[in-house]
Amino acid sequence: SAVISQKPSRDICQRGTSLTIQCQVDSQVTMMFWYRQQPGQSLTLIATANQGSEATYESGFVIDKFPISRPNLTFSTLTVSNMSPEDSSIYLCSVDFPGQETQYFGPGTRLLVL
Amino acid sequence: EDQVTQSPEALRLQEGESSSLNCSYTVSGLRGLFWYRQDPGKGPEFLFTLYSAGEEKEKERLKATLTKKESFLHITAPKPEDSATYLCAVLTTSGGSYIPTFGRGTSLIVHP
Repeated sequence: SAVISQKPSRDICQRGTSLTIQCQVDSQVTMMFWYRQQPGQSLTLIATANQGSEATYESGFVIDKFPISRPNLTFSTLTVSNMSPEDSSIYLCSVDFPGQETQYFGPGTRLLVL
Repeated sequence: EDQVTQSPEALRLQEGESSSLNCSYTVSGLRGLFWYRQDPGKGPEFLFTLYSAGEEKEKERLKATLTKKESFLHITAPKPEDSATYLCAVLTTSGGSYIPTFGRGTSLIVHP
């Protein structure tokens, strides 16, 4: 497993603004994932971020709304752009390790958009 | 399309009252089934991975089992600190995907 941290842990934002969420891992990982968990719902994958390449987005999510950076093997950021109240959610990053199929999650960022 | 259904949606138990949570799945080929625990406002915490029918894994008061169509998470003599949402996820062989499909979870409350 790994120690995964996220910043901020929570935030309250005004509509139309943007928020960048950071995810830091204590060991090098190839793949990092960003999920959204809306109230009462399960986890929905936003995108997969590999170091050195463009993020791969799932259906319904676009780069202009959720730009992702992956500058090295231990760090990634997700930006939620031009926010609306519908973006209020918990945002989670996760990682997996070569030879393992289990994903390990960070503590999450709880976002409220007013 | 791969589907994962968890039941019940919510479960209330008295301390010491054993019970089971269910995760049924419809997938083309199972590579792995995962159980997570999620406390309110926090990220999911990994519990178990099961790979084949008949496999069982245990951790403290929790035991996970797997059949060809479903998995059970048995909770023996639960304590209030076991209160959490339990998530099930499956990873399939279709299309070489490495992305698990998550169920909606079972919210467990254990009363003292």
